[in-house]
Amino acid sequence: DGGITQSPKYLFRKEGQNVTLSCEQNLNHDAMYWYRQDPGQGLRLIYYSQIVNDFQKGDIAEGYSVSREKKESFPLTVTSAQKNPTAFYLCASSIRSSGISPQHFGDGTRLSIL
Amino acid sequence: RKEVEQDPGPFNVPEGATVAFNCTYSNSASQSFFWYRQDCRKEPKLLMSVYSSGNEDGRFTAQLNRASQYISLLIRDSKLSDSATYLCVVNMGDSSGTYKYIFGTGTRLKVLA
Repeated sequence: DGGITQSPKYLFRKEGQNVTLSCEQNLNHDAMYWYRQDPGQGLRLIYYSQIVNDFQKGDIAEGYSVSREKKESFPLTVTSAQKNPTAFYLCASSIRSSGISPQHFGDGTRLSIL
Repeated sequence: RKEVEQDPGPFNVPEGATVAFNCTYSNSASQSFFWYRQDCRKEPKLLMSVYSSGNEDGRFTAQLNRASQYISLLIRDSKLSDSATYLCVVNMGDSSGTYKYIFGTGTRLKVLA
């Protein structure tokens, strides 16, 4: 069954620690995205990638980093520079970023501060 | 003005009612439009794409009005299971040819027994 897999489902971060959220897709989609959602708020774009080995900052990239070494994988690292990391993180993909195709989402990772 | 605006609700409606949501967007060059459903503490799931001619999927009808720059979602014969937040998403390109998906903050629907 094709889809997007995010792991872990829940993650706890200690002060000063970097943590990495995994996102894997087997939909053969070119474009992948990371969003953050805070309670009662809309989705905000962190980073996106249109093709392997290329990615761009979204609206709230500070304190985050990504890589896109394989088409299937787009991991997100939440660094210690991100002072308010507690949120629901959603990974998405689309066939390409041409604007016609919809995005499909993984089931998210909830990150909390210890 | 926000790029994509939705009434946050909540819309409380009885089972069997018809309910409609609107979503306005600011960029007249917007390319494509979608409605997603998001249940509490879950990921958004694609409900339907919105086509220029309007489209229907069972009890759900989506329409696009480019002149007034809004899209709408109509739900007929509401079920308890329709209770969720409905997200409007607009895809627009910029001068560099990059396309971005812009999300509304969602409209919350509660269907009451």
